[in-house]
Parts: sequence; C-alpha cells; structure tokens
Amino acid sequence: EAQVTQNPRYLITVTGKKLTVTCSQNMNHEYMSWYRQDPGLGLRQIYYSMNVEVTDKGDVPEGYKVSRKEKRNFPLILESPSPNQTSLYFCASSLRRAVAYEQYFGPGTRLTVT
Amino acid sequence: QKEVEQDPGPLSVPEGAIVSLNCTYSNSAFQYFMWYRQYSRKGPELLMYTYSSGNKEDGRFTAQVDKSSKYISLFIRDSQPSDSATYLCAMSSSSGNTPLVFGKGTRLSVIA
Repeated sequence: EAQVTQNPRYLITVTGKKLTVTCSQNMNHEYMSWYRQDPGLGLRQIYYSMNVEVTDKGDVPEGYKVSRKEKRNFPLILESPSPNQTSLYFCASSLRRAVAYEQYFGPGTRLTVT
Repeated sequence: QKEVEQDPGPLSVPEGAIVSLNCTYSNSAFQYFMWYRQYSRKGPELLMYTYSSGNKEDGRFTAQVDKSSKYISLFIRDSQPSDSATYLCAMSSSSGNTPLVFGKGTRLSVIA
C-alpha cells in the first residue's frame, strides 16, 4: 500500500530534550516536506527536500533541522524543543515539487512540549 | 491582509444539503488552486485541483475559480455524513518551485 508513515504519532516531552520525528514513504517520491498545523494558523511549511541531500527552508524553519540521506526517509529534528513548538506535524511527499503532482500526507504527529 | 482567507466555521448542515465552501485570496499571481479534505486525526488528502479560472466537477464535488474576484469555491451536492471533515483550500503561483499557501480550513459537519 502506497503510504507516508510517521513515528511517533504522539509525543510529550520537556523543553530542551532533543527529539526526532521520523517520516518514510514507499512511493519513490523525490519531493518531501514537513508542515506544522496550528489552530487559527493553518498548515505552514517547515522544510522541504527536492531530492536526496537537497533540503531547503520553508516558511517557519526556526528551531528545526532536517536531513535527507535516503530517498524514502526525511526525519524532522528538534535539537532543543520549546513550548511554542507544541503542534501537529505532518510529513508529505509527492513525485515532484510541481503542483500538478499530488502531495500525500502522513497521519500526523502530535507533539507537546512542556 | 493575509494571502488566503478561509472562514473556519464550524459549518453544520443536514444530510442532503448543498454545501458551499469558500476562500478569498490577495495574490493575483495565484493560478493553481486545490481543495484538500482532512478527516479528524488524519492527514489532508487532495480532493480537487484546478488551473486558472473556471469550473471542475468530480461526482458530487464542484470546484469554481473566479480569478477576477480572487475567490474560489467548493460545492458539495447531496452532502453525506461521511463528508464531515475539515476542508482546506491551497493555492500556488507557479507549477514548479513555489510552495503551496494553505487556508486555515473550514470544519464541516453533516448531520444525519
């Protein structure tokens, strides 16, 4: 089954404790991205990757890191999480970045930073 | 003024009603328009994709774009309880290297 998987689905952590949210897709997609979704603010892009070893900032990259060492995986790293990073996070992938290619979203990771 | 404005709702309608969901935007460069549906505890999924102005129909769903008014709509005919979800509009100015700009989403409940 074609899908984007994220782990963990739920995470509660404390300020400053480094964490990684994993994202994996099995569709051989070149383009992957991370979004955060907050009430009243909608979906905002954090980082994206056009292909292996190619990443770039989205609209709200501060406090986040990403890497793309393999085509299928695109982990999101929070080196020192803060409460304002409490949010619902989605990973997405598409064949290419162009809008004509549908973005497939993962199920989301709900992160709470206390 | 935000780039994309979408009434967050919630919108509650009886089963069988015609639903109209709308977004307005300020960037006249937007040419590509999408509607995503997001069920509770799930990621968004693409529902409709249109380029430039005009209408596009897919089953019970019709997407309309009026670029002169900077206004897009999604109509749902014969709404069903399974249509209960949050609907997000998204748009982009080019087909390639520009990100999607999302609306905040409208929460729809269809009551049986």
